[in-house]
Amino acid sequence: RKEVEQDPGPFNVPEGATVAFNCTYSNSASQSFFWYRQDCRKEPKLLMSVYSSGNEDGRFTAQLNRASQYISLLIRDSKLSDSATYLCVVNGELTGGGNKLTFGTGTQLKVEL
Amino acid sequence: DTGVTQSPTHLIKTRGQQVTLRCSPISGHKSVSWYQQVLGQGPQFIFQYYEKEERGRGNFPDRFSARQFPNYSSELNVNALLLGDSALYLCASSLRDRAGYEQYFGPGTRLTVT
Repeated sequence: RKEVEQDPGPFNVPEGATVAFNCTYSNSASQSFFWYRQDCRKEPKLLMSVYSSGNEDGRFTAQLNRASQYISLLIRDSKLSDSATYLCVVNGELTGGGNKLTFGTGTQLKVEL
Repeated sequence: DTGVTQSPTHLIKTRGQQVTLRCSPISGHKSVSWYQQVLGQGPQFIFQYYEKEERGRGNFPDRFSARQFPNYSSELNVNALLLGDSALYLCASSLRDRAGYEQYFGPGTRLTVT
């Protein structure tokens, strides 16, 4: 089983639509959670952190369910510029005291006119 | 503010050669992590350094090594290159080496091994 699982998509949606991405993770000791956005052949860019209480940033809402080990991202009023790959990311501490990010394979979103 | 910088942006090497990739973190950030991203996959963790000490290592062979300098910049070295080492190598910086601190990525070095 992969540590972080996402539906690879692609999700093709019209401009203005609402789209939801889901992600599950296997390590119950994971401590922090993020969504990153990655454009083609570019680096991942931090979109938002995800908290148990849920958090919102403009058109973007992220939710975390620790009991189900489930993370979601909701994008409202999709824009053409939202077209990208969305990476679900889990952060956990290492035995040496450091930490690492574990990425899903990403979900591709295409917003169309 | 300058973000994370990496050099070179692109590199072509042949099998068996060695390569050194460089990274400068965001000013004030003391932790640098390295990730490898092959086409169609999410980035995979290679190393984390904090205050010049290795804090974690991913599941990569000993051909991969890294170090961090007093100014917190870092180098990733890969020896005896294989075709499968062709990938985007990403450096990420964060304030600390603890989970919960956000990591910010540089533009990456695209390595092609022929």
